[in-house]
Amino acid sequence: GESVGLHLPTLSVQEGDNSIINCAYSNSASDYFIWYKQESGKGPQFIIDIRSNMDKRQGQRVTVLLNKTVKHLSLQIAATQPGDSAVYFCAETPGGYNKLIFGAGTRLAVHP
Amino acid sequence: DVKVTQSSRYLVKRTGEKVFLECVQDMDHENMFWYRQDPGLGLRLIYFSYDVKMKEKGDIPEGYSVSREKKERFSLILESASTNQTSMYLCASSLPPVMNTEAFFGQGTRLTVV
Repeated sequence: GESVGLHLPTLSVQEGDNSIINCAYSNSASDYFIWYKQESGKGPQFIIDIRSNMDKRQGQRVTVLLNKTVKHLSLQIAATQPGDSAVYFCAETPGGYNKLIFGAGTRLAVHP
Repeated sequence: DVKVTQSSRYLVKRTGEKVFLECVQDMDHENMFWYRQDPGLGLRLIYFSYDVKMKEKGDIPEGYSVSREKKERFSLILESASTNQTSMYLCASSLPPVMNTEAFFGQGTRLTVV
């Protein structure tokens, strides 16, 4: 399969534990944020998004937290499963622009 | 099911060749993007287009050009391929920013320039 990040920071967790992946974003004008999951050999897939007027949003087994004061975003995955193993990217949208700016990514490794 | 399709999964080209990477989306999205992905660097934006025949430079446009003659198709062109353009190339599409919706990605094209 494809190797999407040979030198990425890696978070190793046990199956069933909760995972927290962190991201520092760069632009204080960013008003929309997305977490993507990229499995080996595939393009990134949407997980969850959050607007800058919120500080928390929950999905199915995932929660995104936004701290605009310190420009920090986190993704929490509950009861992590082997299928969650992937590289996770946060992305921000500078206000008024079309484009997404991506972070470098974090590899999540789930061990049985 | 929504789809962004990149024409090739793997390509091997020689230095100096002109290379075309094609991307088609079937979601009637206004925005289309080309990124390159390199180990440890995440996804870096090369070019994006917010309408037919419209384009904007991203963060690393040097050595690349793009073409958007039809809404569904966005082409990335390497005018004269070089070895430092060996990378994974990802195409994406999305609705306009006022919708604040996700970008959908293709599977990627792994380009090797020898």
